Amino acid sequence: ETVMTQSPATLSVSPGERVTLSCRASQSVSSNLAWYQQKRGQSPRLLIYGAYTRATGIPARFSGSGAGTEFTLTISSLQPEDFAVYYCQQYNNWPQSFGQGTKLEI
Amino acid sequence: QVQLVESGGGVVQPGGSLRLSCAASGSSFSNWGMHWLRQAPGKGPEWVTFIRNDESNRYYADSVKGRFTISRDNSKNTLFLQMNSLRPEDTAVYYCAKDRVGFGDYTDHWGQGTLVIVSS
Repeated sequence: ETVMTQSPATLSVSPGERVTLSCRASQSVSSNLAWYQQKRGQSPRLLIYGAYTRATGIPARFSGSGAGTEFTLTISSLQPEDFAVYYCQQYNNWPQSFGQGTKLEI
Repeated sequence: QVQLVESGGGVVQPGGSLRLSCAASGSSFSNWGMHWLRQAPGKGPEWVTFIRNDESNRYYADSVKGRFTISRDNSKNTLFLQMNSLRPEDTAVYYCAKDRVGFGDYTDHWGQGTLVIVSS
């Protein structure tokens, strides 16, 4: 099983800041890496797939990078609606697996 | 527009069974691979199982293998999850999710989830 590790677990930030979230895979997942955003009481929403491709309707301030085992999600200028939990997920190997999440808080 | 609506959750005793359903809107359900995922209280999502669009392949997480069965009825645009021998650690919100393609990829639409509580 591919173990996904995210860091940090929690990030205290302010609106307007640039933030970078990290995700590491225990073995190569090529570019088969997705990022999801989850707000309280909602189901996860797809942000990024293929490590760097934004999903439909996702603002350009969200960007992804990386390949193999090291990935990052960058939010260039935090908006109030971006405070949420972010998860990475690999879909290169079965079983698919998620990281434990990074919570962005004020 | 893709819409996924789960149902069938509830409270069940350890060792019991439950069958979840996921009704999908959209004319292309038979082309979609479909997943079940779950999220325990305060935890991140956990992938549970996947079925190909043509039912030719199924995959399961080790934690549910031999206890859960995924199936689908393409004529009724419906996905199912039969859960047997339930344990307290199966307590979670269960989501169905559409795969981008038919054979297994990332999920691009999720339902709102149905809550399963396993408790005596």
